[in-house]
Amino acid sequence: GEDVEQSLFLSVREGDSSVINCTYTDSSSTYLYWYKQEPGAGLQLLTYIFSNMDMKQDQRLTVLLNKKDKHLSLRIADTQTGDSAIYFCAKGGNAGNMLTFGGGTRLMVKP
Amino acid sequence: EPEVTQTPSHQVTQMGQEVILRCVPISNHLYFYWYRQILGQKVEFLVSFYNNEISEKSEIFDDQFSVERPDGSNFTLKIRSTKLEDSAMYFCASSELGPDTQYFGPGTRLTVL
Repeated sequence: GEDVEQSLFLSVREGDSSVINCTYTDSSSTYLYWYKQEPGAGLQLLTYIFSNMDMKQDQRLTVLLNKKDKHLSLRIADTQTGDSAIYFCAKGGNAGNMLTFGGGTRLMVKP
Repeated sequence: EPEVTQTPSHQVTQMGQEVILRCVPISNHLYFYWYRQILGQKVEFLVSFYNNEISEKSEIFDDQFSVERPDGSNFTLKIRSTKLEDSAMYFCASSELGPDTQYFGPGTRLTVL
């Protein structure tokens, strides 16, 4: 079945850029998502990209998709302490609607 | 901005008891989902629901689980006889269309003692 993997942890200084990476195994066409989870909270949709796109920019967020390498990244420009959270990438299913999630990357932003 | 809501935020139950987790999806959405996240593990898909029937389910969603849309606004997940390993955060989600962006609720933390 589909597998989505992320590195566990990323630490950056406030004002720097953060890049969170994600790899997946199934190359079927679908949407790929980034969700943010703050402590004790639910999953907040940050942004998404369809698999026929290479890049999407939304304010401080840039999503890059390398279909050949099955690699998705989320870049956060000018990272703030409020960006500290766990970031999940998720991939839509082949024919159904289920999302497959990565394990999450904990982003720590140091002042 | 419309959002998915879930109640209760935390449910504590004894092993073997039945629990019902409730969700109110976004009002114009047609597809509804349940996911769970066991502490320290990945978010896992349980079931999707459309047009009053299950459209997809995972291996986790066995006979102990059921879903229902009892009225025009609520979407429920029932666990008939809870086990210790059912302890997790349960997230409800909804989407307007099928292969579409899913919006998640804040979750219900289920603790089975």
